[in-house]
Amino acid sequence: RKEVEQDPGPFNVPEGATVAFNCTYSNSASQSFFWYRQDCRKEPKLLMSVYSSGNEDGRFTAQLNRASQYISLLIRDSKLSDSATYLCVVNSGSNYKLTFGKGTLLTVNP
Amino acid sequence: DAMVIQNPRYQVTQFGKPVTLSCSQTLNHNVMYWYQQKSSQAPKLLFHYYDKDFNNEADTPDNFQSRRPNTSFCFLDIRSPGLGDAAMYLCATSPRGTIQETQYFGPGTRLLVL
Repeated sequence: RKEVEQDPGPFNVPEGATVAFNCTYSNSASQSFFWYRQDCRKEPKLLMSVYSSGNEDGRFTAQLNRASQYISLLIRDSKLSDSATYLCVVNSGSNYKLTFGKGTLLTVNP
Repeated sequence: DAMVIQNPRYQVTQFGKPVTLSCSQTLNHNVMYWYQQKSSQAPKLLFHYYDKDFNNEADTPDNFQSRRPNTSFCFLDIRSPGLGDAAMYLCATSPRGTIQETQYFGPGTRLLVL
């Protein structure tokens, strides 16, 4: 089982749609969770951290289920500028090391 | 603005010809990382420095080396690049490397091996 697994994608949605990405992780000792966004041929950038109670940042909502080792990202009212690859990232349980999922490609169409 | 800077943004080298990629940061972070990312794949950690302490990942080939002469700079040396080493190389930093910290990435250097 891979350390971090994400929906294979790609997701093609119209503007204004709601889209959800899922991610599972294998290391039960993981303590920190993040969603990064990566535009084509650019570096990953932090989108949001994910907290146990769930957290929201504008149109973006992240949820964590530790019992199921599952993380999700919900994007409401999709914009063209949301088109990117979304990377699920998990702290491996030790300091320093983040483990990245392969990412899910989202394309928002006009 | 404080940032992570990588030079060059694009690097072309010949098969077997040593190449060095550079990274600098103005964030004064203790930890610096080097990742390799191939097309449609996740970034793969090669190694990291906590201050001057070097930490190599177990599956990083010996062909890859790193130097950190001071807090601000970190270099990735590829001694004999092969065609399979063509990738995006990402440098990242974090303040202290604690569990809750995220990492800040530079824009990457795209390496092409001819």
